[in-house]
Amino acid sequence: SQTIHQWPATLVQPVGSPLSLECTVEGTSNPNLYWYRQAAGRGLQLLFYSVGIGQISSEVPQNLSASRPQDRQFILSSKKLLLSDSGFYLCAWGEAAYGYTFGSGTRLTVV
Amino acid sequence: RKEVEQDPGPFNVPEGATVAFNCTYSNSASQSFFWYRQDCRKEPKLLMSVYSSGNEDGRFTAQLNRASQYISLLIRDSKLSDSATYLCVVPRYNQGGKLIFGQGTELSVKP
Repeated sequence: SQTIHQWPATLVQPVGSPLSLECTVEGTSNPNLYWYRQAAGRGLQLLFYSVGIGQISSEVPQNLSASRPQDRQFILSSKKLLLSDSGFYLCAWGEAAYGYTFGSGTRLTVV
Repeated sequence: RKEVEQDPGPFNVPEGATVAFNCTYSNSASQSFFWYRQDCRKEPKLLMSVYSSGNEDGRFTAQLNRASQYISLLIRDSKLSDSATYLCVVPRYNQGGKLIFGQGTELSVKP
């Protein structure tokens, strides 16, 4: 069966520090992968998606970036965090026709 | 008009009540629809998929009205454990099949 792993679960980082969040999927090959962010009390905002290794599409301009160095690995990064980057970051995989499966998320607080 | 709009909520209902959530979408080309459930500080989880006029799973019924471009979720005989935020989700097929989430409707079931 397919599983998705995301870490760390929580993270507190100072403003201006770098960020790296990792997501891996098991039990499937060439999955579509997605990064979403949910600000406190808000809906889910799609940040990046990838349909294959090295293929990244960005949804909104921001100081975040994403990379897909391996088929089942998706990384979200930032060189310098802003206070506004605080939120709940969720990795997901799946097909739009069948729905996505989400990882357990990373709760990021920028201080 | 937002791509996906939901009842703002919150809904506060007693145990055993029947509650209905509505969701409207703007992309008439959408073919599949989903309801997700999100518990506090957790990742969203797929509750129901809707591909034709509707779907029923136990106490939960989802209905689709393509002409009016809305989806509804009906919960019968509400349980305390149904308390959560319910997210209406619509794929954006013409742009890589990304899932677009509504803002969510919060449900609180009281004893």
